[in-house]
Amino acid sequence: DAKTTQPPSMDCAEGRAANLPCNHSTISGNEYVYWYRQIHSQGPQYIIHGLKNNETNEMASLIITEDRKSSTLILPHATLRDTAVYYCIVRGAYNQGGKLIFGQGTELSVKP
Amino acid sequence: NAGVMQNPRHLVRRRGQEARLRCSPMKGHSHVYWYRQLPEEGLKFMVYLQKENIIDESGMPKERFSAEFPKEGPSILRIQQVVRGDSAAYFCASSPPREGSHEQYFGPGTRLTVT
Repeated sequence: DAKTTQPPSMDCAEGRAANLPCNHSTISGNEYVYWYRQIHSQGPQYIIHGLKNNETNEMASLIITEDRKSSTLILPHATLRDTAVYYCIVRGAYNQGGKLIFGQGTELSVKP
Repeated sequence: NAGVMQNPRHLVRRRGQEARLRCSPMKGHSHVYWYRQLPEEGLKFMVYLQKENIIDESGMPKERFSAEFPKEGPSILRIQQVVRGDSAAYFCASSPPREGSHEQYFGPGTRLTVT
């Protein structure tokens, strides 16, 4: 699975959009980009995933560059409850293993 | 639909004792994963199981640790002769069996403290 690089920390004002970048320059054609978050020692929570098209769900949007070497997770209106560590993970298709390899992630602090 | 359940939520063991951590996956899920988070460190994969089979145990320590997921009942992570370095949060996740399923659903974790 390809390696990912994320900034260690970011701040965001409450109500503003939070844009969390991830670099995955060695991603291969059949690897997906996943985002999870962990709120203060709770179990990680799945947010969104994508292959090459942009994706949106009720939690967030995922923008993947055309060359797939980087992506951005967007929380459109961040709240204090979005304060968490956000993990960008690259993984092969489902039938290739299943395990998630977590990096250090980005610690997002949403401030009032 | 209840989420992934783990018990106990907190477990205290003395050095040399055994620790048994239980994980009940979400209804209909037949794939279970165990992860460990040491204090001030990231999450590390330990083992991936399907019913009655270990699929990937590449993250399991070679000694004292074992895992099972029987046909009936919860998945069990067993740590024999615990040491202080085993103190950590242990998370279980589950996913459904269908091809193309991407999400893993995590439980609240078991905090193991070895005294």
